[in-house]
Amino acid sequence: EAQVTQNPRYLITVTGKKLTVTCSQNMNHEYMSWYRQDPGLGLRQIYYSMNVEVTDKGDVPEGYKVSRKEKRNFPLILESPSPNQTSLYFCASSFSDRALLRTFGSGTRLTVV
Amino acid sequence: GEDVEQSLFLSVREGDSSVINCTYTDSSSTYLYWYKQEPGAGLQLLTYIFSNMDMKQDQRLTVLLNKKDKHLSLRIADTQTGDSAIYFCAESIRGGGFKTIFGAGTRLFVKA
Repeated sequence: EAQVTQNPRYLITVTGKKLTVTCSQNMNHEYMSWYRQDPGLGLRQIYYSMNVEVTDKGDVPEGYKVSRKEKRNFPLILESPSPNQTSLYFCASSFSDRALLRTFGSGTRLTVV
Repeated sequence: GEDVEQSLFLSVREGDSSVINCTYTDSSSTYLYWYKQEPGAGLQLLTYIFSNMDMKQDQRLTVLLNKKDKHLSLRIADTQTGDSAIYFCAESIRGGGFKTIFGAGTRLFVKA
């Protein structure tokens, strides 16, 4: 089944403790991106990647890192999480940045206390 | 700047039509989309329209685009309880590649 898989689905952590949210896709998509969803703000793009070893900042990159060492994986790293990063995170992938057939993961709900 | 706005809530009775509205600011839009998000799930592409079209119909869904007013709407005919979800309007714009801007989402409540 074609899908984008994120792990974990739920995570509660403490301020300052490094964490990684994994994202993997099995559709050989070149374009992958991370979003955060906050009430009343919709989805805001954090980082995106056009291909392996090619990443760029989205609208709200502060406090996040990403890497794209393999085509299928695009982990999101929070080196020192803070409470304002409590949010619902989505990974998405598509063949190109035109996003016509973008597939989203099921989301990761992160709480930083 | 780039912005997509939509009302936050809509409540309809089962069997009625729902109309979800969206306005956008960037005139360089190439595609405009409607996504559906059910509880606990990611976003699912519902339908899309190219910026050079005025209308698109797909079964119970009708998308209307007014480029002059930068207004996009999604009409769901014969709304069912299974249509209860959050609906996101989004636009792809040119500029250093393509960028997709999402609205805040409209939560549709369908009353039986």
